[in-house]
Amino acid sequence: DVKVTQSSRYLVKRTGEKVFLECVQDMDHENMFWYRQDPGLGLRLIYFSYDVKMKEKGDIPEGYSVSREKKERFSLILESASTNQTSMYLCASSRGLAGTHGAYEQYFGPGTRLTVT
Amino acid sequence: AQSVAQPEDQVNVAEGNPLTVKCTYSVSGNPYLFWYVQYPNRGLQFLLKYITGDNLVKGSYGFEAEFNKSQTSFHLKKPSALVSDSALYFCAVRILYGGATNKLIFGTGTLLAVQP
Repeated sequence: DVKVTQSSRYLVKRTGEKVFLECVQDMDHENMFWYRQDPGLGLRLIYFSYDVKMKEKGDIPEGYSVSREKKERFSLILESASTNQTSMYLCASSRGLAGTHGAYEQYFGPGTRLTVT
Repeated sequence: AQSVAQPEDQVNVAEGNPLTVKCTYSVSGNPYLFWYVQYPNRGLQFLLKYITGDNLVKGSYGFEAEFNKSQTSFHLKKPSALVSDSALYFCAVRILYGGATNKLIFGTGTLLAVQP
C-alpha cells in the first residue's frame, strides 16, 4: 500500500513565524503535490514537483515555497506565516509522467491542520 | 477555462436507498476524471477513475460512476447507501501541464449524509 505521511496533524504558529510542513512517501513516486483545503473552496494546488529539485507553481503559490532534495520528501515552507494561511494542508504523491493518454491517481497524506494566530 | 463543478453542497439520502453525487466538467481534449472520498479528519482516498472505454466505471466500497460525454458529466452512484458512506466527496479532472506532466483540478466537494 502507498503510504504518504505528514510530519504533524495539528500545528499552531504565530504570525510572522517561518513554518515547515514535511511530507514523505514510500512508493518511489516521481510526482508530489501540496494542496490547501478550505470549506467551500475544495482543494487548491499550491506547488508540485515532478522530480528531485524540480518544482512548479500551482494555482495559489503566493506566500509559500517548497523544497525537494530527495525523491521521497517534499517540504512546504511558509516564509512568514499569516492568519489567512490558517487551513488544512494536504500532501499527495503519484506515479510519474502519464503522457497524454493516461492519468495516475494521487495518494494523499492525512493532512496538517495549521492555525496561525 | 478548464474546470470541474459539483453543483450540490450536500446530498441527503436514507440508508438503503440509491445515491447520486453529481459532477460536471469542462476540459479541452479527452477528459480523465476521478472521484475521491474524505472521511472526517482524514486525507482523501481514491475511489475510481475514468480514462477510456466503458462509460460505467466501478470502484471501491461498491461505488460506480457514469461517464456521459454529451452531458459532460461524471456522476458518482451507489445502489444502496450505508450510514458509513457519510463523508465528503470530491470530483477531479486531469489537466495537462507542459505537455506531459499532469495535475488535478478538484471540485468544491459534496457532503453526503446518509440517515439510518
